[in-house]
Amino acid sequence: AQSVTQPDIHITVSEGASLELRCNYSYGATPYLFWYVQSPGQGLQLLLKYFSGDTLVQGIKGFEAEFKRSQSSFNLRKPSVHWSDAAEYFCAVGPSYNNNDMRFGAGTRLTVKP
Amino acid sequence: DAGVTQSPTHLIKTRGQQVTLRCSPKSGHDTVSWYQQALGQGPQFIFQYYEEEERQRGNFPDRFSGHQFPNYSSELNVNALLLGDSALYLCASSLGTPGVISNEQFFGPGTRLTVL
Repeated sequence: AQSVTQPDIHITVSEGASLELRCNYSYGATPYLFWYVQSPGQGLQLLLKYFSGDTLVQGIKGFEAEFKRSQSSFNLRKPSVHWSDAAEYFCAVGPSYNNNDMRFGAGTRLTVKP
Repeated sequence: DAGVTQSPTHLIKTRGQQVTLRCSPKSGHDTVSWYQQALGQGPQFIFQYYEEEERQRGNFPDRFSGHQFPNYSSELNVNALLLGDSALYLCASSLGTPGVISNEQFFGPGTRLTVL
């Protein structure tokens, strides 16, 4: 069965520092991978997705993620964090044929220090 | 474009009661999905509606039911509420063939349900 693990429950970084949020997945076939962000009082917003092709994916708000099949990982990165990036981040994995079978990780809460 | 809207924002109920949550999809979207997000967890798929029919269902009991109206808006109903039903309930809308993963889902802000 597919599953997603986000090893870090909470991460704190200083504004301007780089960020990497970890995501490991378990899936039997080629996964479709997503990163979402959830700010307080807001719905989930799609940051980026990987379906196929180039394993380095660019998203919105300056985020990128790299798919590493050998490590079953899809880590999210940003070179310089802004205070407005403070939020909850969710990694998700799903099959190609059914977006309702997406499995979300438990999330990583990002705190940004001034 | 108002995006996906949900009402109410917050709701407090007691065990055994029934609750109805509402969702208006993003303009032009015809597919609505509902998710439950327990505290400290990621969202879990409840069910999806398309053409006023339930198309797919996650691992949730029959106490959870829904409806989609001709204008594509949707309701989630939960009967015989349990303490464990306390969660953030998210609605997501998309356009196109239900279930196709490339059809991006747009999420609403959610309804926070507390069961006492």
